[in-house]
Amino acid sequence: GIQVEQSPPDLILQEGANSTLRCNFSDSVNNLQWFHQNPWGQLINLFYIPSGTKQNGRLSATTVATERYSLLYISSSQTTDSGVYFCAVAPSANAGKSTFGDGTTLTVKP
Amino acid sequence: DAGVTQSPTHLIKTRGQQVTLRCSPKSGHDTVSWYQQALGQGPQFIFQYYEEEERQRGNFPDRFSGHQFPNYSSELNVNALLLGDSALYLCASSLSPTSGTLLFGPGTRLTVL
Repeated sequence: GIQVEQSPPDLILQEGANSTLRCNFSDSVNNLQWFHQNPWGQLINLFYIPSGTKQNGRLSATTVATERYSLLYISSSQTTDSGVYFCAVAPSANAGKSTFGDGTTLTVKP
Repeated sequence: DAGVTQSPTHLIKTRGQQVTLRCSPKSGHDTVSWYQQALGQGPQFIFQYYEEEERQRGNFPDRFSGHQFPNYSSELNVNALLLGDSALYLCASSLSPTSGTLLFGPGTRLTVL
């Protein structure tokens, strides 16, 4: 099956700093999503981005499908951005059978 | 709209017992997927239900089974519980099997003693 590797595993930032999270995947995909998991375990969908670039407020994401990676950018980080960020991919449009990476744990300090 | 709901929130069982977890998808969603998330890891796909049938399955033993009801709600059953089954169980719903996005519920945290 598809392998998903996320880096870095842990990231500690000061409030206001910018960061880039990376997701590498081992095979071609037709579905890629970024999620944020809060300390209570709730997974929130940030982006559906199998290719191209999207922006939503302080967050943006870019997927280069031909080179099998995706990047999540967080600008002007806030303490509420803390949590675990997951990349999830699937070979087909069906997101149900997604393979998740092990996540990047982000801690934003005030 | 309540989104995806799951019950119970927490559950404690002993080895060898059986457990049933429940999920109600977001209104308008007809496809339900279940995931297991062990501590410190990403979620792992268990199976997906659509039209009351299991459509796809991940690498989980037959002890894990499920059901989808006509109202699209779903159950996950785990028999002969092992210590290693302790995890957060997440339910996700989507508009259809070909929908590109998943909406997750808050999860059920299962502890097996």
